[in-house]
Amino acid sequence: QVQLQESGPGLVKPSETLSLTCTVSGGSMSPYYWNWIRQPPGKGLEWIGFIYYAGTTNYNPSLKSRVKISVDTSKKQVSLRLSSVTAADTAVYYCAREKVTDAFDVWGPGTRVTVSS
Amino acid sequence: DIQLTQSPSTLSASLGDTVTTTCRASESVSGWLAWYQQKPGKAPKLVISQISSLRSGVPSRFSGSGSGTEFTLTITNLQPDDFATYYCQQYNIYPWTFGPGTRVEIK
Repeated sequence: QVQLQESGPGLVKPSETLSLTCTVSGGSMSPYYWNWIRQPPGKGLEWIGFIYYAGTTNYNPSLKSRVKISVDTSKKQVSLRLSSVTAADTAVYYCAREKVTDAFDVWGPGTRVTVSS
Repeated sequence: DIQLTQSPSTLSASLGDTVTTTCRASESVSGWLAWYQQKPGKAPKLVISQISSLRSGVPSRFSGSGSGTEFTLTITNLQPDDFATYYCQQYNIYPWTFGPGTRVEIK
């Protein structure tokens, strides 16, 4: 069955850019939406945005000015870039597959990112 | 944004109990309401989609109901594996939003 795995630096300095990759294995990237969701320590879940396998994106307005999500279907990877990070961006970042009717049906295990100098 | 509230924030229960958590939306989410279970240090797991559609592999003691702006997740015959935090999520209007969660703990 399909599995997702997030990867990237666990520590990012303030004002720098956070970059994460989600690798998809065991399944196709189409016809799904590929989402990034984050969870600050001890808090709830926040949707960051998605990219459709064909390239269409949609971002949370609260983060839109700083976020870019891209897809490489040949590598079966989805990437997240979040610029100008602050301590408030410290969180576990998850990638998740979305089907139109089924919400987020497959999740990666998450990767913890700390923003600190 | 559609705001989701959940009550109670914490629920203490015993094995075999029936528990219910409520999710209220600031405006109608039509049928696009999902429930997730999250255990400490783990990713959320989709339990119910489209208000009441039980995911494959999820025990039938889980059920969802509701419409419009008020929804419930009910767990009957509570089992040890059910102690977790449960989040509702709407996927009717962007941005997708989650409720703050209900933690189900052992009494």
